[in-house]
Amino acid sequence: KQEVTQIPAALSVPEGENLVLNCSFTDSAIYNLQWFRQDPGKGLTSLLLIQSSQREQTSGRLNASLDKSSGRSTLYIAASQPGDSATYLCAVPHASGGSYIPTFGRGTSLIVHP
Amino acid sequence: EPEVTQTPSHQVTQMGQEVILRCVPISNHLYFYWYRQILGQKVEFLVSFYNNEISEKSEIFDDQFSVERPDGSNFTLKIRSTKLEDSAMYFCASSESGAGTDTQYFGPGTRLTVL
Repeated sequence: KQEVTQIPAALSVPEGENLVLNCSFTDSAIYNLQWFRQDPGKGLTSLLLIQSSQREQTSGRLNASLDKSSGRSTLYIAASQPGDSATYLCAVPHASGGSYIPTFGRGTSLIVHP
Repeated sequence: EPEVTQTPSHQVTQMGQEVILRCVPISNHLYFYWYRQILGQKVEFLVSFYNNEISEKSEIFDDQFSVERPDGSNFTLKIRSTKLEDSAMYFCASSESGAGTDTQYFGPGTRLTVL
């Protein structure tokens, strides 16, 4: 059974800092890994999806890397802004009954203060 | 940009009552999902649906739950007799295909409060 762990659970930083959020998973036979953002009381917004054959993906100030063999992914946020404050979730899907069902981590709650 | 929509945004009900949560997936998507997130807990998979059938369900999705695609646009989750522990955010998602390489797009959620 896939287990997904995210460290740290919470992070509070001043504006402008570069950040690294960590995600680890126990079963390295993955299809992809996805990072989401969740604002308080809201739904999930997909940030980046890294296919199992890829090492990293970039979108603006976000960069996600994937190391399948060690079961790790990192989300790097450059020059953080107060608008980046949210919970960041990583999810790893597994094949089941014709569907690909993601297992989510608990998330890293990020606060960027001005 | 197309998005998944859900109604209502907040539902309050009495224990033992039936509730129906509604979702409108993205129009060209073929796979539909329901998830729940109990306050402070992980997002948990409930059920996936394709071609008018359940393709996968978790152990949470017991006989009190059912899903339906009553027309060409809506996708519903029914909870037959709600319990206190059903209080959670319920998210609908859809994807174009069921491939492991595909992205699921999530709706904003329905907060269900069972009193």
